[in-house]
Amino acid sequence: DQQVKQNSPSLSVQEGRISILNCDYTNSMFDYFLWYKKYPAEGPTFLISISSIKDKNEDGRFTVFLNKSAKHLSLHIVPSQPGDSAVYFCAASLTGANSKLTFGKGITLSVRP
Amino acid sequence: EAQVTQNPRYLITVTGKKLTVTCSQNMNHEYMSWYRQDPGLGLRQIYYSMNVEVTDKGDVPEGYKVSRKEKRNFPLILESPSPNQTSLYFCASTTKGAYEQYFGPGTRLTVT
Repeated sequence: DQQVKQNSPSLSVQEGRISILNCDYTNSMFDYFLWYKKYPAEGPTFLISISSIKDKNEDGRFTVFLNKSAKHLSLHIVPSQPGDSAVYFCAASLTGANSKLTFGKGITLSVRP
Repeated sequence: EAQVTQNPRYLITVTGKKLTVTCSQNMNHEYMSWYRQDPGLGLRQIYYSMNVEVTDKGDVPEGYKVSRKEKRNFPLILESPSPNQTSLYFCASTTKGAYEQYFGPGTRLTVT
């Protein structure tokens, strides 16, 4: 049973437009959420995170929104750039879970020049 | 440079031939973990270690072993590899209690 779901396998957007990547979770005990970015032939790299006590966290062009009642979070990239083309993983963690992360399947973002 | 290293980066082997994938980090992190990435399944945790001599199973531990004799190293051992262990493997580490994990570059394993 997948607890973190990224239902859209891919997304294609035009350079300069907004990219919205969605993630849903089923375990209401998750209290910390992260987004990782992965380029081919490299390991995932941390992008941005949000605690369950917040509903928004912003870092430059990247903003993560959390809707706890809907068990839904989203990553917004504005404006999108060709270098943002990568696989994006959503991950979640429980308090006291000894740093264990539960990952979604990932979504491939393509930003067209 | 702070980093997690893995070796080898690519490995092709045959069923049943024991192999070890090494992982090392230079950040003095207590927590280390192994994941495998498969198409359509995302990243799944194999084993993790909270500190030296402390290891525990993740979500998909069958067919794997680990050891943590030193803080910086966390090797992944496949005693008798099978084709269903063909995958992309990542090692990760972090400070105790932290959420953000630092990943190695990955090891692509093919078992024929």
